[in-house]
Amino acid sequence: NAGVTQTPKFQVLKTGQSMTLQCAQDMNHNSMYWYRQDPGMGLRLIYYSASEGTTDKGEVPNGYNVSRLNKREFSLRLESAAPSQTSVYFCASSWTASYSNQPQHFGDGTRLSIL
Amino acid sequence: GENVEQHPSTLSVQEGDSAVIKCTYSDSASNYFPWYKQELGKRPQLIIDIRSNVGEKKDQRIAVTLNKTAKHFSLHITETQPEDSAVYFCAAMGYSTLTFGKGTMLLVSP
Repeated sequence: NAGVTQTPKFQVLKTGQSMTLQCAQDMNHNSMYWYRQDPGMGLRLIYYSASEGTTDKGEVPNGYNVSRLNKREFSLRLESAAPSQTSVYFCASSWTASYSNQPQHFGDGTRLSIL
Repeated sequence: GENVEQHPSTLSVQEGDSAVIKCTYSDSASNYFPWYKQELGKRPQLIIDIRSNVGEKKDQRIAVTLNKTAKHFSLHITETQPEDSAVYFCAAMGYSTLTFGKGTMLLVSP
């Protein structure tokens, strides 16, 4: 039982390049999330998917797109990477959203550097 | 939207001392408050959570208290050990998302 799996673990991009971060969960969770973590800023929500077939913006969605491919997989795409997007990206999943009291489980993160 | 404030940003204690981290939230409808521990280079991991119908919850050396009237909740760690050193995040669950505090770096010196 792997939980939440993110690929790749590390990536270096040049400004303007595109990239897709992959996330998959094997816990049969309905809701999935993408966060970015920057020093001193905590975890900030980029996009989330409350259920298969739906996606919504979080606190910092600009410059990103997402796809909920199926119940297990939720990808994050940077169409034209910028140095400000250098960060650690975490994917998480939970049973449900909407004033839910279900904990979120995190993947190991993707460390992304944009030069 | 929800706003979560967390204090202090850093906390240094001696092994065996107690540590307290405090958070406030703004959305009175929030009903779930988890705490995560993140070691350097690792994923955030849930250590304890509390729901809005409970005022206090304890798990061995860790306890969380919730005051819904004042909209604040706290993490208490007793008999701290060096392995408790990490960054701790509080969070509050609103309509559909968790909002995190900015984190507290806890340093436990032997």
